[in-house]
Amino acid sequence: EAGVAQSPRYKIIEKRQSVAFWCNPISGHATLYWYQQILGQGPKLLIQFQNNGVVDDSQLPKDRFSAERLKGVDSTLKIQPAKLEDSAVYLCASSSSGTASHEQFFGPGTRLTVL
Amino acid sequence: DAKTTQPNSMESNEEEPVHLPCNHSTISGTDYIHWYRQLPSQGPEYVIHGLTSNVNNRMASLAIAEDRKSSTLILHRATLRDAAVYYCILRPVYGGSQGNLIFGKGTKLSVKP
Repeated sequence: EAGVAQSPRYKIIEKRQSVAFWCNPISGHATLYWYQQILGQGPKLLIQFQNNGVVDDSQLPKDRFSAERLKGVDSTLKIQPAKLEDSAVYLCASSSSGTASHEQFFGPGTRLTVL
Repeated sequence: DAKTTQPNSMESNEEEPVHLPCNHSTISGTDYIHWYRQLPSQGPEYVIHGLTSNVNNRMASLAIAEDRKSSTLILHRATLRDAAVYYCILRPVYGGSQGNLIFGKGTKLSVKP
């Protein structure tokens, strides 16, 4: 089966610019996650969707980050305006269910560099 | 959140078994023990998970201590492709936001030819 797709793979922007990332989860997966991974650290959850509803966005910096999942399939994550500390890899993951016994499948990530 | 403790790094020789330890002394009875790994420049991938009993799959084995306060991920024959960061994660059974993966820094495994 096809895996989680993400684009772009790399993005370089200047601070205060805007950027958007796209994710296409595995077909049929109801749960979608966005993670931020800063160099040398483990991924940190930003937001979790169940279909097109938000389950957890407690760690999303809502003053600059936004995410949506229209029609419960694809998702976009936006940063506006970007800061230097947003330089990281942004990972999208999906799961057939949000329960603890179900594994998450991760995409390759988008590496963002903010200059 | 329940926490796990893993060594920062480990080394192994190719084709030898590898035992990756994880301590989770504050684990609750409803926490699953999950292992993920992250190869260089890739997203994490699921390895194995268990609750109380030891588990085997095509990738690895998971040995869980009787008191559940520690576990060991066993790679039976390490290959160069197994060089990765291995994360041990406790995940509450409830799901929803309580069932989210909370990644630590993991153990960086190096495999020597």
